[in-house]
Amino acid sequence: GAVVSQHPSWVICKSGTSVKIECRSLDFQATTMFWYRQFPKQSLMLMATSNEGSKATYEQGVEKDKFLINHASLTLSTLTVTSAHPEDSSFYICSARGEVEVYGYTFGSGTRLTVV
Amino acid sequence: RKEVEQDPGPFNVPEGATVAFNCTYSNSASQSFFWYRQDCRKEPKLLMSVYSSGNEDGRFTAQLNRASQYISLLIRDSKLSDSATYLCVAGVNVGNMLTFGGGTRLMVKP
Repeated sequence: GAVVSQHPSWVICKSGTSVKIECRSLDFQATTMFWYRQFPKQSLMLMATSNEGSKATYEQGVEKDKFLINHASLTLSTLTVTSAHPEDSSFYICSARGEVEVYGYTFGSGTRLTVV
Repeated sequence: RKEVEQDPGPFNVPEGATVAFNCTYSNSASQSFFWYRQDCRKEPKLLMSVYSSGNEDGRFTAQLNRASQYISLLIRDSKLSDSATYLCVAGVNVGNMLTFGGGTRLMVKP
């Protein structure tokens, strides 16, 4: 149980374009999803907390107009990287809380974004 | 100072060895603790939750010391397949936020 499906797994895009990443909770309702970014050899850094039906809460230093988060339903959250630049190239991972005692926080499989 | 600190390693150990990782957290409001395993270029996967009384899962033992704000992971009889980065995670229930340590890299050699 507690599976989070994330798509796409990897994407290469041109500088200036936008990329949408989707995360779906498959067998549970995720009222809250978390979006992380991980640069090579670094730890996961929380970008924002996505709450169903309300605006996302962004961490300090994360541009909300650049990283658009939509959480329109209990099973789907999307992250759109707008006007992507090479420095946005990173590993983006979503996470949702299932039954903590059993599953902890379940992560999507991640999206490796390369902006050229 | 980072909120969750780990020795980045790498820890290079032979198969069959016992290895221990330590982690400290600074937020005294942290109430949930986990160890995650992350393989190269993959998402983190939950290895085990950490309970106040300490808990064991096969070759893995996790312990929590709230007074010292310290978490440990012990791996016995290391296998080649244990090679990965181990992430220490502390969470606060309010907002369900998780804070990740930088990870400790383990390499088990034949």
